[in-house]
Amino acid sequence: GAVVSQHPSWVICKSGTSVKIECRSLDFQATTMFWYRQFPKQSLMLMATSNEGSKATYEQGVEKDKFLINHASLTLSTLTVTSAHPEDSSFYICSASQPGLSGNTIYFGEGSWLTVV
Amino acid sequence: QKEVEQNSGPLSVPEGAIASLNCTYSDRGSQSFFWYRQYSGKSPELIMSIYSNGDKEDGRFTAQLNKASQYVSLLIRDSQPSDSATYLCAVNPWGRGNNRLAFGKGNQVVVIP
Repeated sequence: GAVVSQHPSWVICKSGTSVKIECRSLDFQATTMFWYRQFPKQSLMLMATSNEGSKATYEQGVEKDKFLINHASLTLSTLTVTSAHPEDSSFYICSASQPGLSGNTIYFGEGSWLTVV
Repeated sequence: QKEVEQNSGPLSVPEGAIASLNCTYSDRGSQSFFWYRQYSGKSPELIMSIYSNGDKEDGRFTAQLNKASQYVSLLIRDSQPSDSATYLCAVNPWGRGNNRLAFGKGNQVVVIP
């Protein structure tokens, strides 16, 4: 089946620094990837849609200057949390869409735990 | 009204029993429907996808879709302790592009040995 890989799985950073998370589709090309954030015991919250070769589309309330998204190739999207603060500590998950005969299927990466201290 | 609703609270089922989960959605034009399983601290894992009315079976899992009534359900037969997780219903609303999903808040399932 399709595999979406995220790296790193967990990261601890100091407040004020920036952290980059990578999302790769390993066996298919993904023109669109998605970035989610999930706080403990809450549902997934879509942050932005990452479009290959163009600017990301951010959801309302998500600061585009704080959460930088780059989708430079059909298999890689990156999320950079800039000037991280403790309230940015969360579980960040990417997903990618694999085309199929019946429709597209969304697969998730393993997720990245970010802790800002 | 939320796009995808999963209203029932935590579901406790004895091992070997059937767990039944329901999900309703608001966009009548929705075309794709998914069930994901999420273990605590892990990312969602795709269990089932269903695109047409009726039942779709995969192992111990059966997804049921009724577009006229705008609901999709998931049955887990012969529930095992390893099935204890949160189950997320996801729908691709019409007009949102072929990739965007709307998620329900999830239903926690606890299988009691």
